[in-house]
Amino acid sequence: EPEVTQTPSHQVTQMGQEVILRCVPISNHLYFYWYRQILGQKVEFLVSFYNNEISEKSEIFDDQFSVERPDGSNFTLKIRSTKLEDSAMYFCASSEAGLDIQYFGAGTRLSVL
Amino acid sequence: QKEVEQDPGPLSVPEGAIVSLNCTYSNSAFQYFMWYRQYSRKGPELLMYTYSSGNKEDGRFTAQVDKSSKYISLFIRDSQPSDSATYLCAMRKSGGSYIPTFGRGTSLIVHP
Repeated sequence: EPEVTQTPSHQVTQMGQEVILRCVPISNHLYFYWYRQILGQKVEFLVSFYNNEISEKSEIFDDQFSVERPDGSNFTLKIRSTKLEDSAMYFCASSEAGLDIQYFGAGTRLSVL
Repeated sequence: QKEVEQDPGPLSVPEGAIVSLNCTYSNSAFQYFMWYRQYSRKGPELLMYTYSSGNKEDGRFTAQVDKSSKYISLFIRDSQPSDSATYLCAMRKSGGSYIPTFGRGTSLIVHP
């Protein structure tokens, strides 16, 4: 069964460093998403991406965040200068169309020290 | 008032019990309702997806939506220890943004 793949599973970084979280969405999907989940809290939407541009973003997705689809298979989330409060699970998701069901990856646990 | 409210639990039940998980919401524009299961340190996995009011059954799982009360439920029959997980409700509108709003999740423990 096709699945969304995320790497790495755990990323540890120092405050102020840049991190790139990587995702390989399901191959025939056209819409891609990043969410985050701070420990013990709800899943929060960050950004959606379609046709090589951001289609929607939340207030969390400020200038320190960026997304990119560098090739035909990868979808990345970059955090330019990490803060302690960026520590969370980051989930990538994809869907065939915007109104379709979103399928989530297993997540990357980001720990900012 | 939060848009989606969900009791975090934990809810602990014996194996074989019928489990009822619930969410309430405040935004009457929500039309699509989802239940996700999330095992520890894993991503949410879609269990049920319903539109508007009514019931939907899939194996041991039944999703129920009561739009007049802004209340949704997930019932699990013959619960198993493997059902132990966090269950997230999510919902979205039919037009405009298609991004779902999630509840906090309810932690379910099914003990043998």
